[in-house]
Amino acid sequence: GAVVSQHPSRVICKSGTSVKIECRSLDFQATTMFWYRQFPKQSLMLMATSNEGSKATYEQGVEKDKFLINHASLTLSTLTVTSAHPEDSSFYICSAGTGYSTEAFFGQGTRLTVV
Amino acid sequence: KNEVEQSPQNLTAQEGEFITINCSYSVGISALHWLQQHPGGGIVSLFMLSSGKKKHGRLIATINIQEKHSSLHITASHPRDSAVYICAVSSQGNLIFGKGTKLSVKP
Repeated sequence: GAVVSQHPSRVICKSGTSVKIECRSLDFQATTMFWYRQFPKQSLMLMATSNEGSKATYEQGVEKDKFLINHASLTLSTLTVTSAHPEDSSFYICSAGTGYSTEAFFGQGTRLTVV
Repeated sequence: KNEVEQSPQNLTAQEGEFITINCSYSVGISALHWLQQHPGGGIVSLFMLSSGKKKHGRLIATINIQEKHSSLHITASHPRDSAVYICAVSSQGNLIFGKGTKLSVKP
């Protein structure tokens, strides 16, 4: 089946630094990538949707200048958390869509801890 | 064996029917999520459960921790409910997803 690889799986960074999370579709072209965030004991929340070659669409309440999303190719999308703060500590997960089916292909997720 | 099993894999219903989707898991969990994915891939989080029952509109989700089983019910189903419904469990800091149930509600 289709595989989406998300890297890193865990990252610890200092407050004020930036962290980049990569999401790669390994055996299909992902025309759309979705980035989700889950805070402890809360539901999964969609942060943004990106289509290859265009700007990401952010959900209400998600700061686009803080969470930079790049989807420059059909196999790679990146989420950069800039000037990270402890409150950004969360579980981030991507999913990829081909645009031709309703199947969801998820990355493994990244647990970010900002200290 | 997958750690999260959903059934059925596919489900076709007539408008107005009561629908049940089941989810069984084999790992210790801190929470169980029901997600809805529409054509195009976008996901909506429907419920997060750690015990008991939750209701939102026509949707009801239940969980039995002892039996490691959850059900999602849709009352008075409508064609707009057609989507893929995904069960996911939070286990040891990770999310483990079921493969989803594709629901088609016919008018």
